[in-house]
Amino acid sequence: KNQVEQSPQSLIILEGKNCTLQCNYTVSPFSNLRWYKQDTGRGPVSLTIMTFSENTKSNGRYTATLDADTKQSSLHITASQLSDSASYICVVITGGGNKLTFGTGTQLKVEL
Amino acid sequence: SQTIHQWPATLVQPVGSPLSLECTVEGTSNPNLYWYRQAAGRGLQLLFYSIGIDQISSEVPQNLSASRPQDRQFILSSKKLLLSDSGFYLCAWSVRGTLYNEQFFGPGTRLTVL
Repeated sequence: KNQVEQSPQSLIILEGKNCTLQCNYTVSPFSNLRWYKQDTGRGPVSLTIMTFSENTKSNGRYTATLDADTKQSSLHITASQLSDSASYICVVITGGGNKLTFGTGTQLKVEL
Repeated sequence: SQTIHQWPATLVQPVGSPLSLECTVEGTSNPNLYWYRQAAGRGLQLLFYSIGIDQISSEVPQNLSASRPQDRQFILSSKKLLLSDSGFYLCAWSVRGTLYNEQFFGPGTRLTVL
């Protein structure tokens, strides 16, 4: 069964600190993996898209890693800001791009 | 630039009432269009996708239907709402081609069925 599991389910950190969110998947065959940021009550916004051959990709303070062998991805947020408070969703697309499997997300809260 | 609109933003409806949610895309032609539902504590669930006018595919059996009367308009409907239809409904679009090119999401509609 194709699954995408994210951890932790929720996380609270202080402003300025770093954090790492995890995504483990069993989806096969793998095509690409995406991280989205979803503010409360809003639609998700894409942060990164990673293909099978990419190990790391950065977008500003966000850095995603991918280990296709262990089927794990992480999203590292550097120097967190209050505006980083959101749900972060991992999405895995199967080979051929014909199916998306969404994780349930990690709810991040950044506090002063 | 491309923009995607959804309305209404929030909706409270009684059980058994009809539903119509609308999604429109501007600034692009022939997009792929998608309807998702996000229940509390759950991941996004794909409900319908469309690769063209009157070309609708349903991903899961349910109480809902979708229509695409115009190239950039996607409508989600129900004849009789159930309590289980409550959730956050998201419309998305992607460039025509591979079905799941990067998707761009609308602002969503929060539906509460009482």
